Amino acid sequence: AQSVTQLDSQVPVFEEAPVELRCNYSSSVSVYLFWYVQYPNQGLQLLLKYLSGSTLVKGINGFEAEFNKSQTSFHLRKPSVHISDTAEYFCAVSEKRNDYKLSFGAGTTVTVRA
Amino acid sequence: DAGITQSPRYKITETGRQVTLMCHQTWSHSYMFWYRQDLGHGLRLIYYSAAADITDKGEVPDGYVVSRSKTENFPLTLESATRSQTSVYFCASRRAGSTYNEQFFGPGTRLTVL
Repeated sequence: AQSVTQLDSQVPVFEEAPVELRCNYSSSVSVYLFWYVQYPNQGLQLLLKYLSGSTLVKGINGFEAEFNKSQTSFHLRKPSVHISDTAEYFCAVSEKRNDYKLSFGAGTTVTVRA
Repeated sequence: DAGITQSPRYKITETGRQVTLMCHQTWSHSYMFWYRQDLGHGLRLIYYSAAADITDKGEVPDGYVVSRSKTENFPLTLESATRSQTSVYFCASRRAGSTYNEQFFGPGTRLTVL
């Protein structure tokens, strides 16, 4: 079975600074990888996904993530954050053979300060 | 054209009572899911359904019952609520397909069991 570890539970960052959220996964088979964002009092929405091909994936709102198979990582980055990026971010994985099941990490709370 | 809706959005109940959380989607998606979100755990899958009248257990099914008589509805019932079931519950749906298809999440139901 797959599992996900998000290495930072909280990340405070100043506006216009870069941010990186770290995610490691474990699985014995090929996987799909995802980052979801949850704004306060809302449901989750997909930021970006890695299915295959280029290891650098670009998503919405200026976010990107890099898949590193040897390190089993899928870190999320944004070069310059805005106050509106304050949210909780979840890394998730699904096995290609059972791609309807998502396993989520515990989440990283990003707080952007002026 | 609401997409995926959940009701109620907030619910307070007492230990031992039966509670039903409703989920409705307008996309005719085959798959539907129930997750619970708890601090430090991210989202954990309770039950999922691949189609009407087909349901299966997820990671944390104990104390919950689901049914799916119609494609668009997927109610979750807590037969005898316990304090440990205090949580935020998210419903999600996705269409069936040969490659990964995104899960779309509802706005959530915040349940408090006193």
